[in-house]
Amino acid sequence: DIQMTQSPSSLSASIGDRVTITCRAGRSVDNSLNWYQQQPGKAPKVLIYADSNLQSGVPSRFTGSGSGTEFTLTINGLETEDFATYFCQQSYSTPYTFGQGTRLEIK
Amino acid sequence: QVQLQESGPGLVKPSETLSLTCTVSGGSISSYYWSWIRQTPEKGLEWIGYIYRSGSANYNLSFQRRVTISVDTSKNLISLKLTSVTAADTAVYFCAREQTTSQWFFDLWGRGTLVTVSS
Repeated sequence: DIQMTQSPSSLSASIGDRVTITCRAGRSVDNSLNWYQQQPGKAPKVLIYADSNLQSGVPSRFTGSGSGTEFTLTINGLETEDFATYFCQQSYSTPYTFGQGTRLEIK
Repeated sequence: QVQLQESGPGLVKPSETLSLTCTVSGGSISSYYWSWIRQTPEKGLEWIGYIYRSGSANYNLSFQRRVTISVDTSKNLISLKLTSVTAADTAVYFCAREQTTSQWFFDLWGRGTLVTVSS
């Protein structure tokens, strides 16, 4: 199984800040890396797919980059609704695996 | 607008079989892969397996011997059965649609259903 490791596990930031979350894969997943946002009590929602593609309807302040084993999700100009938990997921090979999550909290 | 809704018992006894159904409304099951994913505080999000409309399935080996995913295209239903459950199977279970046109990702999720394993 490909292990996915996110850092940090939690992060405090203020409205308007720029934040970056990192996801590392145990081995190369090429560009098959997706990012999800999960609000408490709700299902995850895809933000970025295939490393850097913005899902339809997702604000452009979310960007993804990287390849191989290291990936980043950047949020430029945090808004209130962005405070949530973020997960990376590799779709390079089954079993699909997820990072443990990064909880983004308001400072 | 396509929606997914998980349903099934919220409480299952240890050693028994967990059975859940995902109803797909507002669209067709065709041309997508359909996964079951669960979430626990301890292990986070775990992919259990997926199925295609043909009935071809792929399971996470962590669940291989206990899991069966099936599809009923006439009723737009995807089902999950997990046998010999223990407390470790207590989780929120999601069904999710996987986009596979050029890249693979989960673009639609159900709201999830909490299943507790307890006597």
